[in-house]
Amino acid sequence: DTEVTQTPKHLVMGMTNKKSLKCEQHMGHRAMYWYKQKAKKPPELMFVYSYEKLSINESVPSRFSPECPNSSLLNLHLHALQPEDSALYLCASSQGPSGTEAFFGQGTRLTVV
Amino acid sequence: QKEVEQNSGPLSVPEGAIASLNCTYSDRGSQSFFWYRQYSGKSPELIMFIYSNGDKEDGRFTAQLNKASQYVSLLIRDSQPSDSATYLCGHNQGGKLIFGQGTELSVKP
Repeated sequence: DTEVTQTPKHLVMGMTNKKSLKCEQHMGHRAMYWYKQKAKKPPELMFVYSYEKLSINESVPSRFSPECPNSSLLNLHLHALQPEDSALYLCASSQGPSGTEAFFGQGTRLTVV
Repeated sequence: QKEVEQNSGPLSVPEGAIASLNCTYSDRGSQSFFWYRQYSGKSPELIMFIYSNGDKEDGRFTAQLNKASQYVSLLIRDSQPSDSATYLCGHNQGGKLIFGQGTELSVKP
């Protein structure tokens, strides 16, 4: 089973709203990732969690706040987003933080109005 | 210089032909490489993972890695219209999965 589950699949939020994206995997993977993808562009790394600790933050604005409550769950808290933050948000996981296959969830399509 | 370079395409091949996708990378220290397929509006799907020099075959897909020349390629034999998608190559660099721009492949019936 290589399943990474993301919820919700679609989200529309106003610029003053607070919302959260959720990601779950039960493969025992110890590295989890958040990516942002705009149309016709490759996925752009936002955050990496390794063994439940934030190991990489790609200078992401503070209106995006990641959280890893346990080894199976990864959240992305959203607050005061801008319309240009509208994108496909992808979660991925891999067995370890380096040199192993990563599997993506189906993504959350976020629209900021 | 971009870390991972791919021809953006679109690459168009007839059904049944071999599609050849290429990728070069700049970091000589990179150890593992991968190819993802992404259909429009969907998430990337891992199709090949390779870390040793040479060829790796999986069904109709063959990945080739040449670390000395810093390129990795993907061959799709007997291409089908269902192979039409964007193919992303990339590598793991210090815990980051770094992707190229993607190559759009169109397989014409």
